[in-house]
Amino acid sequence: QQQVKQSPQSLIVQKGGIPIINCAYENTAFDYFPWYQQFPGKGPALLIAIRPDVSEKKEGRFTISFNKSAKQFSLHIMDSQPGDSATYFCAASNTGRRALTFGSGTRLQVQP
Amino acid sequence: DTAVSQTPKYLVTQMGNDKSIKCEQNLGHDTMYWYKQDSKKFLKIMFSYNNKELIINETVPNRFSPKSPDKAHLNLHINSLELGDSAVYFCASSQDTSTGELFFGEGSRLTVL
Repeated sequence: QQQVKQSPQSLIVQKGGIPIINCAYENTAFDYFPWYQQFPGKGPALLIAIRPDVSEKKEGRFTISFNKSAKQFSLHIMDSQPGDSATYFCAASNTGRRALTFGSGTRLQVQP
Repeated sequence: DTAVSQTPKYLVTQMGNDKSIKCEQNLGHDTMYWYKQDSKKFLKIMFSYNNKELIINETVPNRFSPKSPDKAHLNLHINSLELGDSAVYFCASSQDTSTGELFFGEGSRLTVL
């Protein structure tokens, strides 16, 4: 059972565009929602994370929007750059179970 | 300094063989994990250890046996390898459960022929 559903599977944008990646979760016990970025041949690395007590969080060009009632959250990348080309994973966890449950990933290509 | 290091980075072996992957973290974290990333990039938790104690075992075949000799090390031994075991295996660690941040190694790509 996939507890975190992610879309789209892949995304191509032009440089300067604003790609948006969406995730939906089922488990209402989740209380931590991070986004990880993975480059080819590397392990995933934390990009930005949010907790359900806020509806939005910004760090640099990256923004998470969170909708608790809809059980959805999304990642927006402002002014995207070719260097942002990577696979992005949403994830969720709760303090009772430390392991992250990941979405299926979105491969983002930012064209020059 | 590499925070989470795994060896080997690449492993090619025949079906039926036994192999091990080693992981070490120098972050002083209490919790370590093994994740499997399949050919479609899907990341799935396999095991988690906290202070050498197994706390998560996610319906993984018992051909997979994790071992944590101390809280800085978590090894994965796989017996009787099958074609479907081909994947990238990631080790990760975390400290503060309130932040939930996992630090991943660079992965060990296992190919079973």
